[in-house]
Amino acid sequence: SQTIHQWPATLVQPVGSPLSLECTVEGTSNPNLYWYRQAAGRGLQLLFYSVGIGQISSEVPQNLSASRPQDRQFILSSKKLLLSDSGFYLCAWSRRGVLGYTFGSGTRLTVV
Amino acid sequence: TQLLEQSPQFLSIQEGENLTVYCNSSSVFSSLQWYRQEPGEGPVLLVTVVTGGEVKKLKRLTFQFGDARKDSSLHITAAQPGDTGLYLCAGERSAGNNRKLIWGLGTSLAVNP
Repeated sequence: SQTIHQWPATLVQPVGSPLSLECTVEGTSNPNLYWYRQAAGRGLQLLFYSVGIGQISSEVPQNLSASRPQDRQFILSSKKLLLSDSGFYLCAWSRRGVLGYTFGSGTRLTVV
Repeated sequence: TQLLEQSPQFLSIQEGENLTVYCNSSSVFSSLQWYRQEPGEGPVLLVTVVTGGEVKKLKRLTFQFGDARKDSSLHITAAQPGDTGLYLCAGERSAGNNRKLIWGLGTSLAVNP
């Protein structure tokens, strides 16, 4: 069966510090991978998606970047965090040609 | 501009009551997905509807896709406290090889015992 792991679950970081959130998928190959941010427990905003290794598409200009160094690994990064980067970050995967996403359990990031 | 409007935003009901939440748009979607999210967790896919007029049932949950594929509803019969959560709808729009998912802001449901 397929599983998705996302860590850490919670993170408190000072303004100006770097960020690295990691997401890995098991039990499937060549998944589509996504990073979302969810504000105040409401709607989801797509940040990045990837259809393959090294292929990253950005949906909104921001202080964040993403990388996919391996087929089932997706990393969200920042060189210098801003207060506005606080939020609930969700990684998700989908199988090509199949509708529906599977989400990780999320990372609650608080920038102080 | 919010392309997918969900209503109501908040709903608090007693155990055993029935309820319906709505997901509306002026745009046509190739498919529509419903998710439930519990606090501190990621959304979990409940159902995907594809065909206009399609009705799918998942135990006490009934999902319907509008005939024109612009709207959807979720009806819960005899709600239970375990149904509490944020219900999100997401519509898929396809343009060639580019498929984009448009998310609603969700309906927050509280079922009180």
